[in-house]
Amino acid sequence: AQKITQTQPGMFVQEKEAVTLDCTYDTSDPSYGLFWYKQPSSGEMIFLIYQGSYDQQNATEGRYSLNFQKARKSANLVISASQLGDSAMYFCAMREGVTGNQFYFGTGTSLTVIP
Amino acid sequence: DTGVSQDPRHKITKRGQNVTFRCDPISEHNRLYWYRQTLGQGPEFLTYFQNEAQLEKSRLLSDRFSAERPKGSFSTLEIQRTEQGDSAMYLCASSRRTSGSYGQYFGPGTRLTVT
Repeated sequence: AQKITQTQPGMFVQEKEAVTLDCTYDTSDPSYGLFWYKQPSSGEMIFLIYQGSYDQQNATEGRYSLNFQKARKSANLVISASQLGDSAMYFCAMREGVTGNQFYFGTGTSLTVIP
Repeated sequence: DTGVSQDPRHKITKRGQNVTFRCDPISEHNRLYWYRQTLGQGPEFLTYFQNEAQLEKSRLLSDRFSAERPKGSFSTLEIQRTEQGDSAMYLCASSRRTSGSYGQYFGPGTRLTVT
């Protein structure tokens, strides 16, 4: 089974609108961390936001927020007020265990912001 | 620039040749990771170092692949007898810890093309 599933290969959003990128995960470990990364066309992976499995509140970082629904095993990324520079690939990732050494990545979602 | 650096950025080689890539992590990060990313996929974990010790290796890392981090600082990834299937982006990442919100910080990658 896939550890991380991203079911949206491509998404479009109008500039200044909000967009939600879906991510579901699979683990039996009660302790895990969830991450979102952005990969622009230049290729470098940029760390955006983190959510711990025991965190009570959804994580937020500026225009990024993570909609964490533990029972559904989903960790969707919400980008508010989209900007043209948000156009990129977005990857959801998971680290299992308290000190897991391996990150599992999804296949990514390509986001295009339309002016 | 104090980010993760990788060298070379691009490498074209003929099948059967050996190649070596270098990664310089962020200086205060003692954890270093290698990933492989093919077109349309998320990064796949290859191996992990804590200081100079290689603590985890993926089954993806065949015996043609070897990684070292001799002094706990920079790391090298060598591929012997390259095959066309080795063509991919090789990403290096570093982190200070593996617990909590410490995400991995990625370098720009080395794109390998095997002809």
